[in-house]
Amino acid sequence: GAVVSQHPSWVICKSGTSVKIECRSLDFQATTMFWYRQFPKQSLMLMATSNEGSKATYEQGVEKDKFLINHASLTLSTLTVTSAHPEDSSFYICSAQKTSGSPDTQYFGPGTRLTVL
Amino acid sequence: AQKVTQAQTEISVVEKEDVTLDCVYETRDTTYYLFWYKQPPSGELVFLIRRNSFDEQNEISGRYSWNFQKSTSSFNFTITASQVVDSAVYFCALSAYIKAAGNKLTFGGGTRVLVKP
Repeated sequence: GAVVSQHPSWVICKSGTSVKIECRSLDFQATTMFWYRQFPKQSLMLMATSNEGSKATYEQGVEKDKFLINHASLTLSTLTVTSAHPEDSSFYICSAQKTSGSPDTQYFGPGTRLTVL
Repeated sequence: AQKVTQAQTEISVVEKEDVTLDCVYETRDTTYYLFWYKQPPSGELVFLIRRNSFDEQNEISGRYSWNFQKSTSSFNFTITASQVVDSAVYFCALSAYIKAAGNKLTFGGGTRVLVKP
């Protein structure tokens, strides 16, 4: 159990367009979902934390108007990169956690590679 | 503030050799979890193990073993008789509940393991 999917697995878009990435927990309900960004040969950087039905909590330095996060259900969270630019090109990874309120295991999706031309 | 340090950036071994990955952490919380994740070239993070701060019992699971020492704030990971398929980046991570921000996972910088045939 604890499978997380992401769609699409890769996307290429033109500068100025918006891209939506979906993150789904397939066999469990995810009270909390997280979005990370990873640059080549670097560690994961947390972008935001989202709880179902609540507004996302963004990390310092992450533009909430540029990276829109919606956690509409216990199995789905979406990240929309608005007006994407080449510097937004990166590997975006989501994770899902079964509980909130105490440390718990995060299960990760396979990631989405975004390339902005 | 929480911090995870993986001093080894890259380790190269020949197949069947043992590999030990170091992880040192900092936290002021008394309740926390420590994790090891594996990220193969495909990009998906694979959960390997979780240890809570009250459980210092070391564990062996197949070719993997873990050494948690609270006194030195270390959580080291060993692969015995390494195989080519073990080639990946390994991340150590810490999760402690921060009331204002929920459960945040702090990653170390990662250690790239290359197992040569």
